[in-house]
This record gives sequence, structure tokens and C-alpha cells, in this order.
Amino acid sequence: DAKTTQPNSMESNEEEPVHLPCNHSTISGTDYIHWYRQLPSQGPEYVIHGLTSNVNNRMASLAIAEDRKSSTLILHRATLRDAAVYYCIRQMDSSYKLIFGSGTRLLVRP
Amino acid sequence: DGGITQSPKYLFRKEGQNVTLSCEQNLNHDAMYWYRQDPGQGLRLIYYSQIVNDFQKGDIAEGYSVSREKKESFPLTVTSAQKNPTAFYLCASSSALRGHEQYFGPGTRLTVT
Repeated sequence: DAKTTQPNSMESNEEEPVHLPCNHSTISGTDYIHWYRQLPSQGPEYVIHGLTSNVNNRMASLAIAEDRKSSTLILHRATLRDAAVYYCIRQMDSSYKLIFGSGTRLLVRP
Repeated sequence: DGGITQSPKYLFRKEGQNVTLSCEQNLNHDAMYWYRQDPGQGLRLIYYSQIVNDFQKGDIAEGYSVSREKKESFPLTVTSAQKNPTAFYLCASSSALRGHEQYFGPGTRLTVT
């Protein structure tokens, strides 16, 4: 199965770091890992993507396991605006597709 | 401001009618996509287009049709053959197919009764 596996929901306190896990045990060596987030009734928003090395941008960091079978999205200081559904997505080397799973709903407590 | 626009935000139709959803982008992106989202679910790909006058079926293309006559525009027609058309429809674009972020529009919520 090409889909990724994520916890249904997670909770965090405001201004604390958040680690969102993702399992993609069937990933092949040249599949990309993307993360998007989505607020209710809005289109998804790109967060970050990577291939093999850890990646950082202004929004988050992506830590990819050495065997690439799992990855973790890190929000360094959660804010109330970070409350959303986070999708970990595999983009297969053989195609263009972003294969969405059900995502993790992140709740941020003030 | 560069971005993707979809119109309308809400659309209501009677069963048996075809309906066309608009998607326009001014990001100069080559690739464009249409997704469908049902409540509590992730997105599923309907169609995508890599260049003008070319498009490919995604995972759930039955009952839908598209055109790509201009780089900026990728309209989606939901035909009467689509069995369950009520859903949230999202358009996206990217500069290339692989390894590039997709920019999403705000979506159109279609209700068919």
C-alpha cells in the first residue's frame, strides 16, 4: 500500500515543540516525502518536503529516518494558528501523484 | 498577488445537470491538478495536466472531464455520469510534476440534490 500511516490526532501546548510522526515503510529510494496542512474548508498548504536528508524551512523541520521508512515533522514552537490537519504524503518516483492519507489532526492548547 | 483562484466557493445543482468548476492561476506554473475531498478524508486526484492541450486521468476520473486550452486555466466539468458528485473540489498547480510543492486554491464546495 502506497499510503502513509499517521496518528489520527495529537495535542500540544502553545509555544512548545510538536513532533508529528509518519510511517512510510514501503517507500522506495527515490520517493519524495511531502507534508501539507489543511484548515477546515480551505485548500491544503505546503509545509515542507524532502528526499533523503533532513530539511529545514521557516515553517518547520523534516527529520527523515536513515532507512527512510519513517519521518517526523517538527514544529519548533506551536501556535494556535498551527492547529490543522497535517498530511504526510508520499510522492512515488514512478508518478506525479501526491498520495494523501487521512492525516493527523493537531490540537494546540493555549 | 500570485495565486490560484477557484469560483464559485459554493455551488448547488440539481441531479442530472452538468456543472463546470473554474480554476485559474497566475503563477506561470506548467502543471495543474484537480482533487476531490470527501468529509474526514484525504484528497483524491481526478485529473492532472502537465502542459497546455494535454491532460491525464487520475485515480477517480470517471464522470469528470477537463480541458487545458490555456496555461492559466484548467476547468473541471462534473457530468451527470458522476454517481456521487457532492464533495469539496480543490485545484492545484506546481512548476513541475515531481519534487515541487503544489499550490492549492480555496476550493469549491459542490452540492447536488
